[in-house]
Amino acid sequence: SQQGEEDPQALSIQEGENATMNCSYKTSINNLQWYRQNSGRGLVHLILIRSNEREKHSGRLRVTLDTSKKSSSLLITASRAADTASYFCATSMTTDSWGKLQFGAGTQVVVTP
Amino acid sequence: DAGITQSPRHKVTETGTPVTLRCHQTENHRYMYWYRQDPGHGLRLIHYSYGVKDTDKGEVSDGYSVSRSKTEDFLLTLESATSSQTSVYFCAISEIPHDSYNQPQHFGDGTRLSIL
Repeated sequence: SQQGEEDPQALSIQEGENATMNCSYKTSINNLQWYRQNSGRGLVHLILIRSNEREKHSGRLRVTLDTSKKSSSLLITASRAADTASYFCATSMTTDSWGKLQFGAGTQVVVTP
Repeated sequence: DAGITQSPRHKVTETGTPVTLRCHQTENHRYMYWYRQDPGHGLRLIHYSYGVKDTDKGEVSDGYSVSRSKTEDFLLTLESATSSQTSVYFCAISEIPHDSYNQPQHFGDGTRLSIL
């Protein structure tokens, strides 16, 4: 069973627009992470937010975490064609050890010029 | 990019044959993971290792075995491949301080395995 569920499953926007995707999870976490996957490649880590943090920024990325609602959002501002990729949230659950992560099914983002 | 090499990158084989996928890292990280990625399922953990000769099962371990005889190599074996094991397989590594789980994983570029 999946711990994280992303919404929407797919998102199509134009360059310059913002892209927002959401992740919901089921059990208490140590942290929540966002990854990007370009077609045919492995996942690349984008940002990690700890359970005691509410917001984090990295360049054009903004992540929020609401542990009371068990949800997180990833905002990509001023999107570019190079942002076209699938985005996954992953959670490190407090019941897990050895750094294991539970991944959601991902949001496919297409940015058109 | 983290030094992770998966081999082979592509493989086509027949049902019932044994298959071994290799993950090689040059980062000297302690933790290594094997995932499979299927449409609509994201990544699912097959097996993981927390040290040389220390491995354990993940969420979808049936039909798979692993071995780790050296820090740098983590092998995934399908003893008798089935069509349901057609997938893209990813290896990941991580280094976790003893007092924190707050570390990312770094991924290889995957092996696309087709079982006919």
